[in-house]
Amino acid sequence: EIVLTQSPGTLSLSPGERATLSCRASQSVSSRYLAWYQQKPGQAPRLLIYGASSRATGIPDRFSGSVSGTDFTLTISRLEPEDFAVYYCQQYGSSPPGYTFGQGTKLEIK
Amino acid sequence: QVQLQESGPGLVKPSGTLSLTCAVSGGSISSNNWWSWVRQPPGKGLEWIGEIYRGGSTNYSPSLKSRVTISVDKSKNEFSLKLSSVTAADTAVYYCARQGSYNVEYWGQGTLVIVSS
Repeated sequence: EIVLTQSPGTLSLSPGERATLSCRASQSVSSRYLAWYQQKPGQAPRLLIYGASSRATGIPDRFSGSVSGTDFTLTISRLEPEDFAVYYCQQYGSSPPGYTFGQGTKLEIK
Repeated sequence: QVQLQESGPGLVKPSGTLSLTCAVSGGSISSNNWWSWVRQPPGKGLEWIGEIYRGGSTNYSPSLKSRVTISVDKSKNEFSLKLSSVTAADTAVYYCARQGSYNVEYWGQGTLVIVSS
C-alpha cells in the first residue's frame, strides 16, 4: 500500500506570500494518479489539481502542481485570504484499486 | 452540474449497521463514472471507503472491506452505503462523491454520523 506523507503539518504565512506544500509517496506513483484538494472548515473538499499538474475547472492560476520523482508539490504563488485552509494530496492505486489521502497540511494566516 | 446529497440516520448504536443514501441530480448514475464514499472523523483527515460503477462493480478499502457494502439503484438515481458492526471509531462525516479520472471530482456536502448508545 502506498503511503502519502505531507509536509509541513502546518504552514504559517501571510497574504501575498508564496506557499509550497509537499506530498511524498512511499513508492512510485504515476503523475496521472495524483490529485490535490482544498478543504475549508465545515465544507467538503474541493478538487484543485489532477494529474499532478492540471488545474480543475474554475481553479485560479495562482495554484500549480509539479512532480519530481516521488515528490509532489502544490504551489500557491500569491496567497489570497480565501486560500487559508487544509490541503490534501490523494493518489489512486490499481492493485488493489482504490484511493489514499495524505494526512493534510493546514495553511494558516501568520 | 452534478449535485449529490447524502441522507440517513445521524445516530447509530454500537454494533449496529450504518446506512446512508446518496441522491444524484444533474446527471445520471448510469453515466460512465465511478461513485464513491469518503469519510472524515472529526478533526482528522480523509479516508476513502469504496466505489461502485453503474453496472454494480465495486472496489472497497482493504481496511473496511469486511464490513462495507455499496449498492446502486438506477431507478432512483442513487447509491447507498452500508457499514456493519460499527464502533465509535466509525463516527465521522460521510461524503458521497463522483469520481473523475483518478480523482474525486464532485462531492456531496457530507453528513455527520455518530456512533453512540
